[in-house]
Amino acid sequence: DIVMTQSPDSLAVSLGERATINCKSSQSVLYSSNNKNYLAWYQQKPGQPPKLLIYWASTRESGVPDRFSGSGSGTDFTLTISSLQAEDVAVYYCQQYYSTPLFTFGPGTKVDIK
Amino acid sequence: QVQLVESGGGLVKPGGSLRLSCAASGFTFSDYYMSWIRQAPGKGLEWVSYISSSGSTIYYADSVKGRFTISRDNAKNSLYLQMNSLRAEDTAVYYCARPPTSDYDSSGYWDYWGQGTLVTVSS
Repeated sequence: DIVMTQSPDSLAVSLGERATINCKSSQSVLYSSNNKNYLAWYQQKPGQPPKLLIYWASTRESGVPDRFSGSGSGTDFTLTISSLQAEDVAVYYCQQYYSTPLFTFGPGTKVDIK
Repeated sequence: QVQLVESGGGLVKPGGSLRLSCAASGFTFSDYYMSWIRQAPGKGLEWVSYISSSGSTIYYADSVKGRFTISRDNAKNSLYLQMNSLRAEDTAVYYCARPPTSDYDSSGYWDYWGQGTLVTVSS
């Protein structure tokens, strides 16, 4: 199975500042035949199901604010919140779907306001 | 609009059984791969099971293989998860989830989730 790790476990950022979350996969999730990274990011607020933010590592889901961006390739990925807003307080998960259908999530990163 | 509504959760003793249901609406259910994903209290997300649009292809996480059975009834727009030989570590909120398209390539990430149903396994 592909193991996903995230860092940091939690972070506190001032309103308007940048938040950066890292995600690493135990093997590459880049499919060479289509040059796509099979990596998604989700946001989860307390008591709610996860919300899809990013797929194919860098494609923003419709309706997601453009302060959220995804980058990276192969085994190393980053979710960036360019200017943290109060409503962004949540836990963020990365997830690989390269090894369909044995999907795996990262452990999550909790984002708070400093 | 797309809606996924889970039901069937509750308190069950270790070794017991439970059947979860997910009622889908607002889209052509029979076109989509579907998955069950769970989340233990205060913990992260764990994919549980996956079923193809026709029901002919099914996969399970190792943690539930041999104990859980996923199925679907496309005529009733419903997804099911039969859970047998339940253990304390199966305690979780169980979500059904739909991918954004009916393509196989996009079947592994999900843009629609239900609100979840809580399964508690305890004596």
